[in-house]
Amino acid sequence: EPEVTQTPSHQVTQMGQEVILRCVPISNHLYFYWYRQILGQKVEFLVSFYNNEISEKSEIFDDQFSVERPDGSNFTLKIRSTKLEDSAMYFCASKAQGPGNTIYFGEGSWLTVV
Amino acid sequence: KQEVTQIPAALSVPEGENLVLNCSFTDSAIYNLQWFRQDPGKGLTSLLLIQSSQREQTSGRLNASLDKSSGRSTLYIAASQPGDSATYLCAVYSGNTPLVFGKGTRLSVIA
Repeated sequence: EPEVTQTPSHQVTQMGQEVILRCVPISNHLYFYWYRQILGQKVEFLVSFYNNEISEKSEIFDDQFSVERPDGSNFTLKIRSTKLEDSAMYFCASKAQGPGNTIYFGEGSWLTVV
Repeated sequence: KQEVTQIPAALSVPEGENLVLNCSFTDSAIYNLQWFRQDPGKGLTSLLLIQSSQREQTSGRLNASLDKSSGRSTLYIAASQPGDSATYLCAVYSGNTPLVFGKGTRLSVIA
């Protein structure tokens, strides 16, 4: 079965450092997402991306966050200046065209900010 | 704003028992609902997707039902096994807006 792959699986970073989380969505998918899950809390939406632009973002996705699709296969989330409260599991997801399709999630990237 | 609630928050059952997990949502204008499984520290594995026009979906020992008008879904697990131990998440999807998740039900199946 096709899968969404994410790297790194775990990253520890100093507060204030920039972090880039990488994702390779399923190849024929057109919708891409980032979600996060703080330990013990709900999975929360960050941003959705379609047709090379952000289609929706949550209030969590402030100016320190950005997303990019630098080539035909990768989808990245950049956190410019990390804070302690950014420590979470970050999930990438993708979906084919059409509202009736399953959204597939990657295994996640654990980010620990110290 | 869509809110998704899952009860119970945790459930412990002996192996072999049939069980039901519940999910409710506040806005019935949804396209579909997905059930996911999450093992500790791991990603989200999609189990079942029910379209808004469907009443239920089945996969192996899992059966998910949807009652859109009352804003409810259930996930039925038959003949539970220790390998079913995980957190089960319900999420609803309205068009191309983001999935909204519940907090999950943490299931423990005791051998």
